[in-house]
Amino acid sequence: KQEVTQIPAALSVPEGENLVLNCSFTDSAIYNLQWFRQDPGKGLTSLLLIQSSQREQTSGRLNASLDKSSGRSTLYIAASQPGDSATYLCAVRAYNFNKFYFGSGTKLNVKP
Amino acid sequence: NAGVTQTPKFQVLKTGQSMTLQCAQDMNHNSMYWYRQDPGMGLRLIYYSASEGTTDKGEVPNGYNVSRLNKREFSLRLESAAPSQTSVYFCASIRTPTSSGANVLTFGAGSRLTVL
Repeated sequence: KQEVTQIPAALSVPEGENLVLNCSFTDSAIYNLQWFRQDPGKGLTSLLLIQSSQREQTSGRLNASLDKSSGRSTLYIAASQPGDSATYLCAVRAYNFNKFYFGSGTKLNVKP
Repeated sequence: NAGVTQTPKFQVLKTGQSMTLQCAQDMNHNSMYWYRQDPGMGLRLIYYSASEGTTDKGEVPNGYNVSRLNKREFSLRLESAAPSQTSVYFCASIRTPTSSGANVLTFGAGSRLTVL
């Protein structure tokens, strides 16, 4: 069974710092990987999606990379802001398309 | 577009009561999902529907039933609520992948359920 791990579980950084969130998965046979943001009391919002054939995707200050062979993805946040404070989750989609496997998230706090 | 709409947003039940959580999407998605999210447990799949007319169990189906009413709507029913079902419930949907590109899993805002 696919296992998805996110380390660290929580991270606190000063405003302006560049940071990296990690996501690892045990089975490299994935269709794609998606990064989400969740604000307290809210649903999950999709940030970036990387197909298995891609190495990275960028959106504004966010850059997500994928190394399927090593079972790893990173989410890079440049010049962090207090508004980036949230929980970030990654999810891999299996090749049978029906199943998604979620990490338990990294709770990010960006201090002013 | 409304995306994925869940009702109700909040509900308090007594043990043994029944209720149905409603989910509707307006994105012409094929697949729909019900998850529960609990502190320290992450997101756990309850049931999913890969297409209209089909439903399948996820990791934690016990105590729940689902109905894929049509392509747009997927409801989750608690027949006899228990305190262990206190949780935040999320509905999500996605289009079946095609060669034309990627598909984003889209979530509703959640339904917070408390069972006393």
